[in-house]
Amino acid sequence: AQSVTQLGSHVSVSEGALVLLRCNYSSSVPPYLFWYVQYPNQGLQLLLKYTSAATLVKGINGFEAEFKKSETSFHLTKPSAHMSDAAEYFCAVSDNGGATNKLIFGTGTLLAVQP
Amino acid sequence: ETGVTQTPRHLVMGMTNKKSLKCEQHLGHNAMYWYKQSAKKPLELMFVYNFKEQTENNSVPSRFSPECPNSSHLFLHLHTLQPEDSALYLCASSQGSWPVIVYEQYFGPGTRLTVT
Repeated sequence: AQSVTQLGSHVSVSEGALVLLRCNYSSSVPPYLFWYVQYPNQGLQLLLKYTSAATLVKGINGFEAEFKKSETSFHLTKPSAHMSDAAEYFCAVSDNGGATNKLIFGTGTLLAVQP
Repeated sequence: ETGVTQTPRHLVMGMTNKKSLKCEQHLGHNAMYWYKQSAKKPLELMFVYNFKEQTENNSVPSRFSPECPNSSHLFLHLHTLQPEDSALYLCASSQGSWPVIVYEQYFGPGTRLTVT
């Protein structure tokens, strides 16, 4: 069965610093992988997705993620953090081969950006 | 209206009440989902509908009853809830297909439910 592990439930960076949010997945079939962001009192917004094309995926708001099969990882990065990036970030893997279009979500990483 | 909308945004109900949550998607999708988001717990998938047919019920208690009258609307009927059911309930939609192909899901803003 597919699963996702997000290392670090809380990450704090300074404004302008590199953002690195970690995600490792487990999947018995080639996965589809997603990163979502959730701002306070809002739903989840899709940041980017990997669907077996290019391994380096660029998303919105300057974020990108690299699919590394050998490491079963899909870490999210942004070169320079902005105060507006403070939010909770969720990694998700598709339940490929299932009977429904189901995503398995990680437990989330809360990103704080210090001035 | 654009995207996925949910009403109401906030709901307080007693354990003996009956209420309904509404979700509407304006994206032309054919699959819709209900999720429960509780503090300090992973996002829990509750129900999936694909072309109006329920394709997933993730062992949800019967006090939650979904309804999908068409591909644009999804309801969650609530009755005799428990305090532990207090959570943010999120609706999502995606393209649907048979056989299943994975598409990204688009989320509504959620309904914050408090059961007293």
